[in-house]
Amino acid sequence: QLQLQESGPGLVKPSETLSVTCTVSGDSVSTTEYYWGWIRQPPGKGLEWIGNIYSSGSTYYNSSLKSRVSMSVDTSRNQFSLKLSSVTAADTAVYYCARLDPLWFGELEGGYFDYWGQGTLVTVSS
Amino acid sequence: QTVVTQEPSFSVSPGGTVTLTCGLSSGSVSTSYSPSWYQQTPGQAPRTLIYNTNTRSSGVPDRFSGSILGNKAALTITGAQADDESDYYCVLFMGSGILFGGGTKLTVL
Repeated sequence: QLQLQESGPGLVKPSETLSVTCTVSGDSVSTTEYYWGWIRQPPGKGLEWIGNIYSSGSTYYNSSLKSRVSMSVDTSRNQFSLKLSSVTAADTAVYYCARLDPLWFGELEGGYFDYWGQGTLVTVSS
Repeated sequence: QTVVTQEPSFSVSPGGTVTLTCGLSSGSVSTSYSPSWYQQTPGQAPRTLIYNTNTRSSGVPDRFSGSILGNKAALTITGAQADDESDYYCVLFMGSGILFGGGTKLTVL
């Protein structure tokens, strides 16, 4: 059974870089069948797609966050990670990692999020 | 900028039927947008309900069904139960990225 587990700092200061990691068990982040992704949810608000990464290292980011986001895969630890720079209070959210099954679609043209982590709350505050 | 639209809230009686919709601020939703639906209760991670417009995810009761109705994707709950009271989100693939709808808060009373 696939399991995803986020880990993060809990508290980040404004203007600093937020880093969150997702540890995968039950599958390999090196798989060529799926994408790995990040979604966030500010307190009391809806879900927002941050981006996805493929095993090849190809990345796909939300255009509204693109200038501040980077994602990477660590195959030795079976993890993938998110970094968000220059954070403000608006970046306070629960950060979820998820696996995306592209079904038969091409490069991020379709599919769905089939497994989710439980989420980790990251608060941006001085 | 395109926005995915959902009813902010909806109410259904126990045993009743409700249809939640997922539209676009500009244009029509079709199967090519690969619509999917997720259920979320407070404090929990989202749960996948429907993908590829109308395919139920493993373990999802058949009272949940997906479709295209007119120019929107739709999630229908037939025979609503108390534990269906949740937030429901749709997701569309836009070519330039993935968009979540704002969510619908469903009340069962």
